[in-house]
Amino acid sequence: GAVVSQHPSWVICKSGTSVKIECRSLDFQATTMFWYRQFPKQSLMLMATSNEGSKATYEQGVEKDKFLINHASLTLSTLTVTSAHPEDSSFYICSARGQGPDTQYFGPGTRLTVL
Amino acid sequence: SQQGEEDPQALSIQEGENATMNCSYKTSINNLQWYRQNSGRGLVHLILIRSNEREKHSGRLRVTLDTSKKSSSLLITASRAADTASYFCVWKGAQKLVFGQGTRLTINP
Repeated sequence: GAVVSQHPSWVICKSGTSVKIECRSLDFQATTMFWYRQFPKQSLMLMATSNEGSKATYEQGVEKDKFLINHASLTLSTLTVTSAHPEDSSFYICSARGQGPDTQYFGPGTRLTVL
Repeated sequence: SQQGEEDPQALSIQEGENATMNCSYKTSINNLQWYRQNSGRGLVHLILIRSNEREKHSGRLRVTLDTSKKSSSLLITASRAADTASYFCVWKGAQKLVFGQGTRLTINP
């Protein structure tokens, strides 16, 4: 089946630094990828939709200048958390849309801890 | 918010018992999916039920869908300790997936 990977699986950084998270579709091309954030004991909340070769579409309340998304190829999307603060600590999950309209494959997630 | 509701929010049962989780969604759907998430891990797709289906089985899983009530349920029979996880119902709204709030299931040995 289709596999989506994320790197790193966990990262600890100091407040004020930037962190980049990669999301890759390993055996299929994904024109559309999604980035979610999940706080402890809560559900996944969509942050943005990333389309290859174009600007990402951000959900209401998500700061596009803080969460930079780049989808430069059909197999890679990156999320950069700029000037990270402790409140950005969360579990970030990406997913990639497959061939079918309702097919979406999820990555294993990245745990970000900002000290 | 498009998020629906899942109940119970948390469920703790003994191994071998059945676990039932309910989901209410808010929009018209073509299908509804259930995912499992082990603590701190990614999502595992469990089952998809289409809007023209009322019930679907997969191993120890049984999913029902009532589109008139905009509700779905997930039944796990003969629960095992390995079933301990959070379970989410997911449907498509406005071209993107919407997640229910989730049920945290704990299976006690």
